[in-house]
Amino acid sequence: NAGVMQNPRHLVRRRGQEARLRCSPMKGHSHVYWYRQLPEEGLKFMVYLQKENIIDESGMPKERFSAEFPKEGPSILRIQQVVRGDSAAYFCASSPPVAGGSYEQYFGPGTRLTVT
Amino acid sequence: LAKTTQPISMDSYEGQEVNITCSHNNIATNDYITWYQQFPSQGPRFIIQGYKTKVTNEVASLFIPADRKSSTLSLPRVSLSDTAVYYCLVASGSWGKLQFGAGTQVVVTP
Repeated sequence: NAGVMQNPRHLVRRRGQEARLRCSPMKGHSHVYWYRQLPEEGLKFMVYLQKENIIDESGMPKERFSAEFPKEGPSILRIQQVVRGDSAAYFCASSPPVAGGSYEQYFGPGTRLTVT
Repeated sequence: LAKTTQPISMDSYEGQEVNITCSHNNIATNDYITWYQQFPSQGPRFIIQGYKTKVTNEVASLFIPADRKSSTLSLPRVSLSDTAVYYCLVASGSWGKLQFGAGTQVVVTP
């Protein structure tokens, strides 16, 4: 059973460009979470999604950031008009379809975004 | 979500037992205590979870006193590969939002 997959592993964007980060959850998992880790800091929750639904986006910046988890295909975290402060590691996690989500989450290897 | 406090760093030698204590004075009745491990350039990995008393698995033990205001993660006979950041989290069992603090950097040397 493959783990959580994220791609790309490394992404370089110039200021003002768009970044698209993809996450394929573990087989059988229908809950996806996105976290951001700035250098030398702990992970910060961004958004929690179930298939076709955003459950909690309280950690998402109000502008330029969006996330989706369509019925088919991976979850996408999209950052429009990136700025240098968006440079960070973005981790995706998934969990089985436990009602309300689970604190036992399986994390992917992360996407390291560098904005130049 | 209850705030947690844990040491910034701990050093140990191979073969020793490492105990990391986490304070969570404001833990709620329906909160669980969860520990994650993170190696450099990797995503966190779930280690263990508990509600009260003692929980043990193949990786670690978790000790939780009766008042639940603290917990101790015990790593038996550490090896070099246990060098990592360890996060203590307290989360309601009804929600999936994990709040990671700064964690404890454990460094194991020969």
